[in-house]
Amino acid sequence: KQEVTQIPAALSVPEGENLVLNCSFTDSAIYNLQWFRQDPGKGLTSLLLIQSSQREQTSGRLNASLDKSSGRSTLYIAASQPGDSATYLCAVDPRSGAGKSTFGDGTTLTVKP
Amino acid sequence: DGGITQSPKYLFRKEGQNVTLSCEQNLNHDAMYWYRQDPGQGLRLIYYSQIVNDFQKGDIAEGYSVSREKKESFPLTVTSAQKNPTAFYLCASRLQGAGTEAFFGQGTRLTVV
Repeated sequence: KQEVTQIPAALSVPEGENLVLNCSFTDSAIYNLQWFRQDPGKGLTSLLLIQSSQREQTSGRLNASLDKSSGRSTLYIAASQPGDSATYLCAVDPRSGAGKSTFGDGTTLTVKP
Repeated sequence: DGGITQSPKYLFRKEGQNVTLSCEQNLNHDAMYWYRQDPGQGLRLIYYSQIVNDFQKGDIAEGYSVSREKKESFPLTVTSAQKNPTAFYLCASRLQGAGTEAFFGQGTRLTVV
């Protein structure tokens, strides 16, 4: 059974710092991995989707990498801002094709002004 | 604007009552999903549907029921058999299954009173 782990559970950084969030998964036979952002009491907002054949994806100040063989993904946030404060979740899809994602518990990021 | 709409945002249920959570999407997506999120935890899959008039149980389907009579709509009923229904419920959709980006609604917070 696929397990997804995100460490640390919480992270606090000063504004302007570059940071990395980690996501690890136990079964490397994945279809894709997706990173989401969740604000308190809100739904999930999709940030980046990486297909299993890709190594990384970029959107603005965000860069996500995928190393399938080692079961790891990282989300790099450049020049962090207080507005980046949120919980970040990663999710992996198995090769079954139904899109039954397995989610990590998330990393709660606080960016201090 | 295209998107996923969940209603209501807050819902209160008395002991022994069935309640129905609404999820509507105008993205023309085939696949729809219901997740449950408990505090500090990742998402757990309740039910999913890949096509109209067909749906499958997820990891925690007991005490829940769904229907998929229209492509745009995937309502979730929380029955009296669900012993611990207080949670945040999230609906998602994807163009197809795995490999396509998942989009989420804003969630419904259900509380048993």
